[in-house]
Amino acid sequence: QSVLTQPPSVSGAPGQTVTISCTGTISNIGAGHDVHWYQQLPGIAPKLLIYGNTNRPSGVPDRFSGSKSATSASLAISGLQSEDEADYYCQSYDTSLSGPVAFGGGTKVTVL
Amino acid sequence: QIQLVQSGAEVKKSGASVKVSCKASGYTFINYGISWVRQAPGQGLEWMGWISTYNGDSKYAQKFQGRVTVTTDTSTNTVYMELRSLRFDDTATYFCTRTKWFGELLWFDPWGQGTLVTVSS
Repeated sequence: QSVLTQPPSVSGAPGQTVTISCTGTISNIGAGHDVHWYQQLPGIAPKLLIYGNTNRPSGVPDRFSGSKSATSASLAISGLQSEDEADYYCQSYDTSLSGPVAFGGGTKVTVL
Repeated sequence: QIQLVQSGAEVKKSGASVKVSCKASGYTFINYGISWVRQAPGQGLEWMGWISTYNGDSKYAQKFQGRVTVTTDTSTNTVYMELRSLRFDDTATYFCTRTKWFGELLWFDPWGQGTLVTVSS
């Protein structure tokens, strides 16, 4: 059971926008800690997609955007493309005994 | 370019130990720590521990305390992760990842290619 909660799967047609939620608690997102997102294409290592809630590393398309509220965060993928089909993980700092790193359980994005 | 290259796949017996290496290049090694994250087949990501390549300080997830040791060799820019008393549920792909850690701000970029460790009877 992951510390951060993500939906197991989301899907959308090419060109649509999909949103992935990441819900935390008072020991992580709710404490104000930043959220980061990773993309894991099938069979390869994860890649940093968003850091510090909203920032994209160089080379990440602006179709990917992040946001954060009190105890949750979201990743939006606009103009969905076939190459976006992957698993997406959120991550935050956690001050509970299971910390200091909390991951979400991952969300599989399927392009219909 | 920044790269983390890990050692190859391992098959170990239950109860044995495994030691996985991670060689860094393309940046100043001692400026960033390295974490280890594992992923069981079909499952999510699980953080195991971290080491400061600057002074060798380490932190481990409570779940792995006493069973995992992460070490660093600054002469070869390599970090090692040793996991002892292997169990069947330790079968997973193990990733090293460069860690940006400032106070309570912590994220991972980039990642090694992963090392599959299979625990068999």
